[in-house]
Amino acid sequence: GAGVSQSPSNKVTEKGKDVELRCDPISGHTALYWYRQSLGQGLEFLIYFQGNSAPDKSGLPSDRFSAERTGGSVSTLTIQRTQQEDSAVYLCASSSPAGGIDTQYFGPGTRLTVL
Amino acid sequence: AQKVTQAQTEISVVEKEDVTLDCVYETRDTTYYLFWYKQPPSGELVFLIRRNSFDEQNEISGRYSWNFQKSTSSFNFTITASQVVDSAVYFCALIVNTGFQKLVFGTGTRLLVSP
Repeated sequence: GAGVSQSPSNKVTEKGKDVELRCDPISGHTALYWYRQSLGQGLEFLIYFQGNSAPDKSGLPSDRFSAERTGGSVSTLTIQRTQQEDSAVYLCASSSPAGGIDTQYFGPGTRLTVL
Repeated sequence: AQKVTQAQTEISVVEKEDVTLDCVYETRDTTYYLFWYKQPPSGELVFLIRRNSFDEQNEISGRYSWNFQKSTSSFNFTITASQVVDSAVYFCALIVNTGFQKLVFGTGTRLLVSP
């Protein structure tokens, strides 16, 4: 079936604007993850959803970052009042950890550039 | 805390050479999972292999092989007879079985295979 999809693929915004990044997980996958990849920080975990709830928000870097997931499917990562240090590739992954740990499959990412 | 170290930042080889990518991990958990992902120039993270802490058998898949040694906390990846298409950044990652399934990534090794 289809893999994880993310939109937009590229986003250029001005400092101070809000942005929304979307993730469509693999059909049937109950778990969804957001990661960020930047030159200085490597690949870092942001947030994890199991169904519509987020038991682990420990990686969100500030209160400007929020995420939600509706219907156990699509997720939106919102960054308010963007800063230049938010420039990075935002990666989404999904998995189906029924009773254990399953492999996370990643989408192509959204490249965010804050001018 | 968990940590993954990929000491090799970049490796350059000529096509048909064998190459080994090193991965050393740290965790106090007895149950954990190790992964390798490939990130080609297109940017998408591609899953290669997963190993759990109770299975130390080495694995071979075509030109790829993995050597898992708990005694040295290493999970090394060897590409035999490398090809130009193997050029990518390779990430080693770790998940511990504590319920919050976030991947802890190493910093990645960039492999350049020249013709």
